[in-house]
Formats: sequence, structure tokens, C-alpha cells
Amino acid sequence: KAGVTQTPRYLIKTRGQQVTLSCSPISGHRSVSWYQQTPGQGLQFLFEYFSETQRNKGNFPGRFSGRQFSNSRSEMNVSTLELGDSALYLCASSGQGNSGNTIYFGEGSWLTVV
Amino acid sequence: GENVEQHPSTLSVQEGDSAVIKCTYSDSASNYFPWYKQELGKGPQLIIDIRSNVGEKKDQRIAVTLNKTAKHFSLHITETQPEDSAVYFCAVVGYTGGFKTIFGAGTRLFVKA
Repeated sequence: KAGVTQTPRYLIKTRGQQVTLSCSPISGHRSVSWYQQTPGQGLQFLFEYFSETQRNKGNFPGRFSGRQFSNSRSEMNVSTLELGDSALYLCASSGQGNSGNTIYFGEGSWLTVV
Repeated sequence: GENVEQHPSTLSVQEGDSAVIKCTYSDSASNYFPWYKQELGKGPQLIIDIRSNVGEKKDQRIAVTLNKTAKHFSLHITETQPEDSAVYFCAVVGYTGGFKTIFGAGTRLFVKA
């Protein structure tokens, strides 16, 4: 079974630009969550989607948004990029039943804002 | 909201020794406690987990203990090997309309050969 796939793996953007990151969950998983990882702040929860609906949201500004499609694939968007948005963005998916609350991570998308 | 504290932030041990990482949490309704290992350049990988109805779980050289009354849980690695060197994260999962996983700040483990 293929794992969580994130694209692109690496990207460089300029301040003020916007970026879209993509995530394909493990087959059969319907929940997708996003995390921002920085050296100083650790793993910070951004939001979680289930069946195309946002169920949970972290404490990030409105510049951070996401969506989920009917095939469970998800995208997150960051508008008006700031230098502080440079981070590793991790997508995680989870399934149903007893293991429904176990999340499995992708390798992440490294974003550098210059 | 849930708050997870993880200690120590850095841990250095000699190969063959044991390593212990501890976490405390604040929300008594949390009921699932996974541990993740993150190697350089990779995403975190689940290594062991424990649910609130269990006090201890072991998988080869790795064990996790949970004290729900005191709201703390620990990861124990015995007979450490250089390939155990990585960043370890504890996590706490609760449910607020959807499962929400909150992570500790991480522990960087160095195993010296």
C-alpha cells in the first residue's frame, strides 16, 4: 500500500507570493491533516479535513487555508508569503475504525521563502 | 486546549545503554498516545502507541508506559543502537468533532558508538 505522498518536495518562493502544496493520503484514508514544522516551534497543527469538510483548525492566520477533494486528496495554500513561513509542511492521513486516530505522515514539502 | 510537555529536549547515551523520554499532558479526556521517530530529511514515523485502557506496551526494544492519573507517559528504548539516533515526538490524541493530534516539542537522541 502506497504511503502518504506530498508534492512538491522542495520549493523556493518570494515574499508576497502564494504557494499551493498537495497531498495524496493512503488509499482508503478519509482524514487528512496538515502540520507546520520549524526548528523553534516543533510540529504545529494547521487543520484537519474529513470528507471534504474542515473539522479542526489550529491557531494560524487566515493566510493559511486548505481544502479536500472527493477522492480525499488535499491541498493547502499559503497566500502573501512571509519569511517566517519557511518550514517543512507535513501532511498526515488516518483511516477508520480502531486505527482511525492514528496518523501517518508523508515526507513533507520544504518551503523556503526569500 | 491540550498542552503536551516533553523532556528532555536532548539526550545523549552510549550504545547499549537505555534511553527514557517523558511527556505530560493536560486534557484528561485524551485517550490515545502515539510516539513518532523522525530521521533527518524524513517525515515522522509511528514507532509505538498506547491507549488509555492499557498501562504498558512493549515492542522488542521499545516500550511505552502510561499513568492516566498523573497524566504522563514515557518511551523507553533499551540496548540503544546508533540507528536509534533521531528526533522522537510524543503525541496526545483527543476528539473535538474530529481527532486532533498534539505533539510534544521533540527529543533529539544521540547514541554514541
